[in-house]
Amino acid sequence: EAGVAQSPRYKIIEKRQSVAFWCNPISGHATLYWYQQILGQGPKLLIQFQNNGVVDDSQLPKDRFSAERLKGVDSTLKIQPAKLEDSAVYLCASSLDRTGSDNEQFFGPGTRLTVL
Amino acid sequence: AQKITQTQPGMFVQEKEAVTLDCTYDTSDPSYGLFWYKQPSSGEMIFLIYQGSYDQQNATEGRYSLNFQKARKSANLVISASQLGDSAMYFCAMREGQNTGFQKLVFGTGTRLLVSP
Repeated sequence: EAGVAQSPRYKIIEKRQSVAFWCNPISGHATLYWYQQILGQGPKLLIQFQNNGVVDDSQLPKDRFSAERLKGVDSTLKIQPAKLEDSAVYLCASSLDRTGSDNEQFFGPGTRLTVL
Repeated sequence: AQKITQTQPGMFVQEKEAVTLDCTYDTSDPSYGLFWYKQPSSGEMIFLIYQGSYDQQNATEGRYSLNFQKARKSANLVISASQLGDSAMYFCAMREGQNTGFQKLVFGTGTRLLVSP
């Protein structure tokens, strides 16, 4: 079974530029998550989708971050304009839409963003 | 208030020995789940083990076991017979509302484990 795919793996941009990240979840996983992991910290949820609807975006800085999941499969996360403090690893995860103890989240390899 | 606390920034262990990574949590929800993830230098988060708040027994998965002490609100990870490949960051995470399909995970700051030969 293919895992969660993300691209690009690395991105370097200057502040005030824009950037976009792409995620393809595991086939059949209805729920998709974007996390931000700043160096030395644990991941922090930015946005959660169920199919193509937003479940939780309470920690998404909406003045500069946007995300979409058209057709309920792939997702893109965009930052415009980027700030120095956006330097982080952006992790995408997916899970089956079911209750229960084994409804774990599967993570992709992440995109490491450096803002200069 | 911090919901997940990992007080050990770094831990060292010799190969083949056991090691315990500490995790305490804070929640007023009676229904919650606790997770441990491993993050090697490649960056991917790898699920290790899960404990539900209503589970009667401590979770085990191969060399991983979770020492769940509900009254103390602790969920320590025990790795037995450490291997060199266990060197990585380890994160404790909590999901409030055990039986929901919407799983917002809150992570701790992590513990870096180094296994020496």
